Amino acid sequence: EVQLVQSGAEVKKPGESLKISCKGSGYTFTGYWIGWVRQLPGKGLEWMGFIFPGDSDTRYSPSFGGHVTISADKSINTAFLQWSSLKASDTAIYYCARFQSAAAKDYFDYWGQGTLVTVPS
Amino acid sequence: QSVLTQPPSVSAAPGQKVTISCSGSSSNIGNNYLSWYQQLPGTAPKLLIYENNKRPSGIPDRFSGSKSGTSATLGITGLQTGDQADYYCGTWDSTLSALVFGGGTKLTVL
Repeated sequence: EVQLVQSGAEVKKPGESLKISCKGSGYTFTGYWIGWVRQLPGKGLEWMGFIFPGDSDTRYSPSFGGHVTISADKSINTAFLQWSSLKASDTAIYYCARFQSAAAKDYFDYWGQGTLVTVPS
Repeated sequence: QSVLTQPPSVSAAPGQKVTISCSGSSSNIGNNYLSWYQQLPGTAPKLLIYENNKRPSGIPDRFSGSKSGTSATLGITGLQTGDQADYYCGTWDSTLSALVFGGGTKLTVL
């Protein structure tokens, strides 16, 4: 059974750093892209970027590149999303999801449970 | 403003049928496959439809997808109260080089 298990909720202060995780199991972790999706409170889904753990090839959405860093450690089947300096506007739920990509057939087939990040202003 | 346009809300009675539209352009829906996601209240999104009209294992055939040109439609028949959720369409946008989602449609089963 494919599973993506994310790290727990976080409460941080503006300016602090943070790294959240997403551990995959039940499939060959190095063979699929892992994406990150943001959901602001009461809002829709926004793609942030994805990584191919096999070779750490990483792509960022133009809206998020430079503000977050996506990485992966294939030895522990885990992908990461990190911030060096959080802002109150980063308060959101962050989902990781396995990404299927082939010949314009792009979709997320399995999702993590989400990690709530709260940065009080 | 989302790249893909969905109605903010739709509603129908139990047992009835509802459709949710997703409108885009040639840089996204027109030249790429579309997927649909269901997000029940307080839970993570779940894949409902992929490659325009395919259902993952475990998704009932009450859910269907179609695409024509730069628009797509999600259909749900035999509505149940458990179908109340937010529904999102998504695809790749070749001009933006980004995965894009619709703004989401809230389904209410009256």
